[in-house]
Amino acid sequence: DTEVTQTPKHLVMGMTNKKSLKCEQHMGHRAMYWYKQKAKKPPELMFVYSYEKLSINESVPSRFSPECPNSSLLNLHLHALQPEDSALYLCASSQVTAEKLFFGSGTQLSVL
Amino acid sequence: AQSVAQPEDQVKVAEGNPLTVKCTYSVSGNPYLFWYVQYPNRGLQFLLKYITGDNLVKGSYGFEAEFNKSQTSFHLKKPSALVSDSALYFCAVRGLNTGFQKLVFGTGTRLLVSP
Repeated sequence: DTEVTQTPKHLVMGMTNKKSLKCEQHMGHRAMYWYKQKAKKPPELMFVYSYEKLSINESVPSRFSPECPNSSLLNLHLHALQPEDSALYLCASSQVTAEKLFFGSGTQLSVL
Repeated sequence: AQSVAQPEDQVKVAEGNPLTVKCTYSVSGNPYLFWYVQYPNRGLQFLLKYITGDNLVKGSYGFEAEFNKSQTSFHLKKPSALVSDSALYFCAVRGLNTGFQKLVFGTGTRLLVSP
């Protein structure tokens, strides 16, 4: 199984809502990532977890809260988002050496 | 800081012709370089990587890339393009030291292969 599964595929939320994005992999990878991709732009790193510990936070606003409950799961909790946060959110996983990332298909988020 | 540049927003080729998608890099130390492809409404897929060794790297789906240290380039190539190769291609470089898990992507090049 070389798949990274993200749910939901699409999400529309208001600025006062709380929602969560989920990501799962069963490749035994111990590094997991959240990337944000705006339309027609490259992905930008948000967070990296290594061995279930947060290792990189790219100065992401606190309205985005990551969580890694175990080695297979990665969540991104969303609260009080702004319309400019609308984007494709991509999860990825890899060996901790990060020589090959496996990406999920993403969650297309719209904030109204 | 590590960075890559993709000078072409779009590349058009006819099916069966060779294709090249260009990438140049700016790094401190030895570069760790990658190519990823993104199909519409999908995540990115790994094509190939250069870490050390041969300057010609072979990857998935018949793609290869040539690392050129003197020109600081890492161009993606394929001898014979397919219509199904039409997609968005990203060159990427790995971060340094404690940031080695950070991939920095170029702006992307859209490849259009006509029948």
